[in-house]
Amino acid sequence: TQLLEQSPQFLSIQEGENLTVYCNSSSVFSSLQWYRQEPGEGPVLLVTVVTGGEVKKLKRLTFQFGDARKDSSLHITAAQPGDTGLYLCAVRLNQGGKLIFGQGTELSVKP
Amino acid sequence: GAVVSQHPSWVICKSGTSVKIECRSLDFQATTMFWYRQFPKQSLMLMATSNEGSKATYEQGVEKDKFLINHASLTLSTLTVTSAHPEDSSFYICSADGDGVNTDTQYFGPGTRLTVL
Repeated sequence: TQLLEQSPQFLSIQEGENLTVYCNSSSVFSSLQWYRQEPGEGPVLLVTVVTGGEVKKLKRLTFQFGDARKDSSLHITAAQPGDTGLYLCAVRLNQGGKLIFGQGTELSVKP
Repeated sequence: GAVVSQHPSWVICKSGTSVKIECRSLDFQATTMFWYRQFPKQSLMLMATSNEGSKATYEQGVEKDKFLINHASLTLSTLTVTSAHPEDSSFYICSADGDGVNTDTQYFGPGTRLTVL
């Protein structure tokens, strides 16, 4: 059983479209992170959300933490080919503890 | 700051040989490092937690005798894949806890692509 359920797992869209990726769990977390990974590289941290209901924006990316701190979403507005990559949500089980990842969402944005 | 490097970036070896992968924190000390394995189009799966000066903690299903981890200093952890087989071919990624930098952040290395023939 996955601690974090990400959906969709694959997404192929045209440049300019909007999309939302979801990260759900039945557990409550003190914080949740989103990463982006390009082929052949390590993941890069995009954002950490810590407060229930929190919304953070990073240019065309909007991250939201659920009110109950069990789920999160990533919304991309007007996607561009440069957004192509693997998007991963992740949580730490405790302070200084291991990081557990969702299954990932493979995004392909076609020009 | 907070850079993690891995060496080599890719390696090809024959079945039955052993391969060592290094993970270094370049500008900070890392008491704890983590090793992940990633298959194509899949997420990162934690293999083990590497603690400086003590034995690594392995995740369920990971063979400790096959994946030897040594964390002999505060800036270096090594993963040795012993008697490698084609099914061990994967992308191996390490990360380090940001001791004294940002303790809630893990810094990831660029990964090592292992291909076993």
